[in-house]
Amino acid sequence: EVQLAESGGGLAQPGRSLRLSCTTSGFTFRDFAMSWVRQAPGKGLEWLGLIKKKDYRGTTQYAASVTGRFTISRDDSKSIVYLQMDDLKTEDTAVYYCTRGGWYRDGLDQWGQGTLVTVSS
Amino acid sequence: QSVLTQPPSVSAAPGQKVTISCSGSGFNIGNNFVSWYQQLPGTAPKLLIYDNNERPSGIPDRFSGSKSGTSATLDITGLQTGDEADYYCGTWDSSLSAGVFGGGTKLTVL
Repeated sequence: EVQLAESGGGLAQPGRSLRLSCTTSGFTFRDFAMSWVRQAPGKGLEWLGLIKKKDYRGTTQYAASVTGRFTISRDDSKSIVYLQMDDLKTEDTAVYYCTRGGWYRDGLDQWGQGTLVTVSS
Repeated sequence: QSVLTQPPSVSAAPGQKVTISCSGSGFNIGNNFVSWYQQLPGTAPKLLIYDNNERPSGIPDRFSGSKSGTSATLDITGLQTGDEADYYCGTWDSSLSAGVFGGGTKLTVL
């Protein structure tokens, strides 16, 4: 069974950093691109970025809203994908989802349960 | 303002059919794969349709997707109260070099 589990959410002050982890199991992690998506309270889904598999050099791409502040990385030996969030802003308050896939033919086909990040002083 | 445009809400009676539209441009829907996601209240989104019109295993054939030009459509037939959820379309936008979602459509089964 494919499983994705986010962790690392919580309360952070504006300007501080937070790193989210997404621990996966049930599939060959290195064979898949991974993406992060967030959802602010009462709002819709916002794609944040993706990291391709190593065959494609693990290339990353980001939404304009987080470019320069958020960084996605992966550890294929541990089947974990990370989201490093720097210089957090109050508008980054959201539930953050880890997803399998990168907008290719198969879409974002597996989702974690999400982790809440609250940015407040 | 989302790159992909969806109606904020749709509603229909149990057993009826509903159509949710998703309008974009040649930079996104027109030249990339469209997927649809269902988000039941209080839960994470789930893939409903991929590759414009394909269903993952376990998704009932009451759900179907299509694409024509720069628009995509999700049809749900035989509506059930359990279908009440938010539905999102998504795709890649080649001009933005970014994934994009529609604003979401709230389905109410009356």
